[in-house]
Amino acid sequence: AQSVAQPEDQVNVAEGNPLTVKCTYSVSGNPYLFWYVQYPNRGLQFLLKYITGDNLVKGSYGFEAEFNKSQTSFHLKKPSALVSDSALYFCAVRDMWDGTASKLTFGTGTRLQVTL
Amino acid sequence: DAGITQSPRHKVTETGTPVTLRCHQTENHRYMYWYRQDPGHGLRLIHYSYGVKDTDKGEVSDGYSVSRSKTEDFLLTLESATSSQTSVYFCAISPADSSSYEQYFGPGTRLTVT
Repeated sequence: AQSVAQPEDQVNVAEGNPLTVKCTYSVSGNPYLFWYVQYPNRGLQFLLKYITGDNLVKGSYGFEAEFNKSQTSFHLKKPSALVSDSALYFCAVRDMWDGTASKLTFGTGTRLQVTL
Repeated sequence: DAGITQSPRHKVTETGTPVTLRCHQTENHRYMYWYRQDPGHGLRLIHYSYGVKDTDKGEVSDGYSVSRSKTEDFLLTLESATSSQTSVYFCAISPADSSSYEQYFGPGTRLTVT
């Protein structure tokens, strides 16, 4: 069974500082990994994914994520946070060898609060 | 929200009544999913579909049924609503081809069961 852990319920950062939102995963095979963002009263928006290749993946709005196979982690990062980045962030995983309909397992979410 | 609409967007219903939520897509994607979002649980998969008339259960399927008679529509039915089914429900779609496994989400339906 696949699983995702987001160890921090909330991350607080000042605008202009770098941010990291943590994610660790567990799958039996190789992982496909995803980050989503949710703004209030909206659906989830896709930010970026790791399927294969370069361990550093770049996505929307200046976000990037680093895949670390030995630590089974896929942390979301941004060099300089904006107040408008404040939202709920979800990490998700799919096992590469999952032959069924691309089911994703989501973490419980991390609320990012960026302050002036 | 990626060519996905959900209806209704808000609904209040009484315990014991049946409720149907609709998801409609204009992307012609093969796969469709229903999730519920609850604080502390993230998103949990209720049911999913991999084609017309082809559906399967997710991790929290008890008390829910689905139907997909057309590629573009995926219906979620609460047979007899209970207070524990008060939640925000999201539909998602995915082409799930070899280059694109991500899912795209609709705007959600907030359901309150009183």
